[in-house]
Amino acid sequence: QKEVEQNSGPLSVPEGAIASLNCTYSDRGSQSFFWYRQYSGKSPELIMSIYSNGDKEDGRFTAQLNKASQYVSLLIRDSQPSDSATYLCAVNRDSGNEKLTFGTGTRLTIIP
Amino acid sequence: DAGVIQSPRHEVTEMGQEVTLRCKPISGHDYLFWYRQTMMRGLELLIYFNNNVPIDDSGMPEDRFSAKMPNASFSTLKIQPSEPRDSAVYFCASSFTGTLNNEQFFGPGTRLTVL
Repeated sequence: QKEVEQNSGPLSVPEGAIASLNCTYSDRGSQSFFWYRQYSGKSPELIMSIYSNGDKEDGRFTAQLNKASQYVSLLIRDSQPSDSATYLCAVNRDSGNEKLTFGTGTRLTIIP
Repeated sequence: DAGVIQSPRHEVTEMGQEVTLRCKPISGHDYLFWYRQTMMRGLELLIYFNNNVPIDDSGMPEDRFSAKMPNASFSTLKIQPSEPRDSAVYFCASSFTGTLNNEQFFGPGTRLTVL
């Protein structure tokens, strides 16, 4: 079992709809969770972080964490063509330890 | 402020040659990471440093790979000898202890092709 698993996609969503990206992790001791966005040919950039169970909202983005189910998701509301990218889920096992384990990413395409 | 700087941006070499990738982290950052990204394996952490000291090199695939950080503003990743399966994009990233979300800032990457 991979440490961090994501559906590779591609996931196609109509413009203006909600895009839902999912991630599961195997290490129950994981403490911190991150979503990075990577445009084609570019480097990853952080868009959301979440540490506690529940929802965290930032603009059109909402991260959801359920530690009991070892599941983290990212919702993108009012999807725009500029949201088309690969979204990488990353997990940090120990708070204070900078080491991240990344999933292989989900490729999202927003259809105008 | 300049972000993480990597050089070269592209490298094409022949099997058996030595390859050296370079990274300058963001000034003031105390963590530096080297990653490798391929379609098959995604983004993999190779090694990371804290205050110029290697902390975890468990991701380095084999002895052909080595990394150094002689000072706070410079790091190298060396592959000797290189093999075609080393072809990938290599990213350097840096971060600063004490930031709220431990954000890692990535450089533009070096695309390595080994023929």
